[in-house]
Amino acid sequence: RKEVEQDPGPFNVPEGATVAFNCTYSNSASQSFFWYRQDCRKEPKLLMSVYSSGNEDGRFTAQLNRASQYISLLIRDSKLSDSATYLCVSDNYGQNFVFGPGTRLSVLP
Amino acid sequence: EADIYQTPRYLVIGTGKKITLECSQTMGHDKMYWYQQDPGMELHLIHYSYGVNSTEKGDLSSESTVSRIRTEHFPLTLESARPSHTSQYLCASSEYHRDTGELFFGEGSRLTVL
Repeated sequence: RKEVEQDPGPFNVPEGATVAFNCTYSNSASQSFFWYRQDCRKEPKLLMSVYSSGNEDGRFTAQLNRASQYISLLIRDSKLSDSATYLCVSDNYGQNFVFGPGTRLSVLP
Repeated sequence: EADIYQTPRYLVIGTGKKITLECSQTMGHDKMYWYQQDPGMELHLIHYSYGVNSTEKGDLSSESTVSRIRTEHFPLTLESARPSHTSQYLCASSEYHRDTGELFFGEGSRLTVL
C-alpha cells in the first residue's frame, strides 16, 4: 500500500465549477501535510500547507482529518489556469517528504 | 523565485557514459533531495541529505550516487548510464525544521540515454 494515495483522475470540469480532491495517508506519525501543484513538464510548487483547523487561501480550502488520516483540497470557481496536477504531500515525521501520485485537473472552457 | 539551479537542463548521451547532474542552492538550506520522475508519473525520492557529509538513499532504489561536500551543492552521478536511466531528475531543498513545509525545486534535468 502506498504511503500517500490519491485518485489520479483526470477530473474534467467546466470553468466556474467547484472541485474537490481527496488524499489518504498511511503513516499515522506524519505531522505536516501540504498540497503542491505541478504544471505539465514543470517542477512542483507549494500551493498550501494543511492544518488541523483547516485553512483557506482565496478560492482554495484545505482540510485535515487526523482520525481518518484524510486530507482534502477544495477549489471554488475553477479557472482555466487551475489545470494542473495536484500533489498531496506528507512529511513522514520530519524525515523526508512523501508525494502522492497526483490528481490531474483539466478545467474546460 | 527559488534560488536552486540544476545543470544541464537537457542531456542526451550514449550508453556506458559517466554523467554528473549538478544542483546548487543559495538559500543556505540544510536538507536537499533528488527525485526521479517519468513523464506523467509520480515523483520518487532517490537520495536525500540532512547536511554536509550526510547522504541517505530514498524510497526508490537507484544506481546513482550523491555527495554533499558543501551545503549549497548536491551533485548526482551515474557511473555508467543505461537507457533505463532515461528520466527527469528534480533536485529540491528545504529548511531543516519539519514545520516549514516548502520544498524548493530546481527546473529539472531531463536525461535521455541512447
